[in-house]
Amino acid sequence: DIQMTQSPSSLSASVGDRVTITCRASQTIGSFLNWYQQHPGKAPKLLIFAASALQSGVPSRFSGTGSGTDFTLTISSLRPEDFATYFCQQTNRTPYTFGQGTSLEVK
Amino acid sequence: QVQLQESGPGLVKPSETLSLTCTVTGVSIGSYHWSWIRQPPGKGLEWIGYISVSGSPDYSPSLRGRVTISADTSKNQFSLRLDSVTAADTAVYFCAGRGQRQCDNWGQGILVAVSS
Repeated sequence: DIQMTQSPSSLSASVGDRVTITCRASQTIGSFLNWYQQHPGKAPKLLIFAASALQSGVPSRFSGTGSGTDFTLTISSLRPEDFATYFCQQTNRTPYTFGQGTSLEVK
Repeated sequence: QVQLQESGPGLVKPSETLSLTCTVTGVSIGSYHWSWIRQPPGKGLEWIGYISVSGSPDYSPSLRGRVTISADTSKNQFSLRLDSVTAADTAVYFCAGRGQRQCDNWGQGILVAVSS
């Protein structure tokens, strides 16, 4: 299985901050990398697919970059509704594994 | 608007079979890929498997031998069957799908507890 490692595991920030979350794959996955946002008690929501494509309806303050093994999710200016847990997922090869998650908390 | 809804029992006894159904509205399931994903309480996401547009399933190796995913296009539903469950299978189970490489749409999730 391809292992996905996110960093940091948790992050404290304030409204208006720029934050970056990284995701590293244990082997190259091309651009087959998705980012999801999950609020407590809710289903995950797709933010970014194919490493950098913004899902329809997702605000442009979210962006994704990377290819191969190293990827980033950036939120350019945090809004209150962005405090949540973020997961990366590789879909290059099954099983389609997820990172362990990054909890974005209010500072 | 695409909507997914999981249904099934919220409690299953150890060694028995967990069976869940996902009802999809807004699109024909025969045109897309559909997955099951689970999340143990307080933990991360685990991909269980999917059924492709062609109807071919693929499963996580960690569950292969116990898991079956199938689709009923006449009802626009797809299903999960997990045999010989243990407490380690207690989780929120999500159905999700659309693209081959990403889950555009998700159900709200259903908590299934394994307990006698």
